[in-house]
Amino acid sequence: ELKVEQNPLFLSMQEGKNYTIYCNYSTTSDRLYWYRQDPGKSLESLFVLLSNGAVKQEGRLMASLDTKARLSTLHITAAVHDLSATYFCAVERGTSYGKLTFGQGTILTVHP
Amino acid sequence: DAGVTQSPTHLIKTRGQHVTLRCSPISGHKSVSWYQQVLGQGPQFIFQYYEKEERGRGNFPDRFSARQFPNYSSELNVNALLLGDSALYLCASREGQGGQPQHFGDGTRLSIL
Repeated sequence: ELKVEQNPLFLSMQEGKNYTIYCNYSTTSDRLYWYRQDPGKSLESLFVLLSNGAVKQEGRLMASLDTKARLSTLHITAAVHDLSATYFCAVERGTSYGKLTFGQGTILTVHP
Repeated sequence: DAGVTQSPTHLIKTRGQHVTLRCSPISGHKSVSWYQQVLGQGPQFIFQYYEKEERGRGNFPDRFSARQFPNYSSELNVNALLLGDSALYLCASREGQGGQPQHFGDGTRLSIL
């Protein structure tokens, strides 16, 4: 059974600091996604990572994928308050199209 | 362009009742997936439909069922509601079968009393 684990689950950061969220998954998978969820809202797609070594960047966020280590990272650079949200990674295997297995989520709070 | 739309937004039911949740995907999207998100957890996969056929089912009891219509909209039905069914139910659509992100609707908040 595919398991997806994120850490940390809670992250309190100061504005301007850097930090990384880790996403480990238990079995070989083909596609990895990062989503953001604001309180009471739905999920917003951030990144799609499709191959080993893939790196995507958008603003202060950068995501990478190491399929051999079964690890994805979401790096936050010079955090700002607007980045406060819950971040989820989700894995999609082989022919199980449309079935995303999500991590528990990382609640990020950025303080002034 | 309209995103994924779900109805109703909120719903209150009592134990033993049944409920129907509705989802309209983004125009042109043929794949619809349903997820249950309990407070404080990540979404859990329930069903996926593509071209009106069920293509995947998660670990949910038979009380949960779904279907997809010729216009690619979808319904999720839950019978014999239990307190534990209280959750946010999310619908997501995607144009094809993989490689693109799923786009999520705002969800239906279901509360069971």
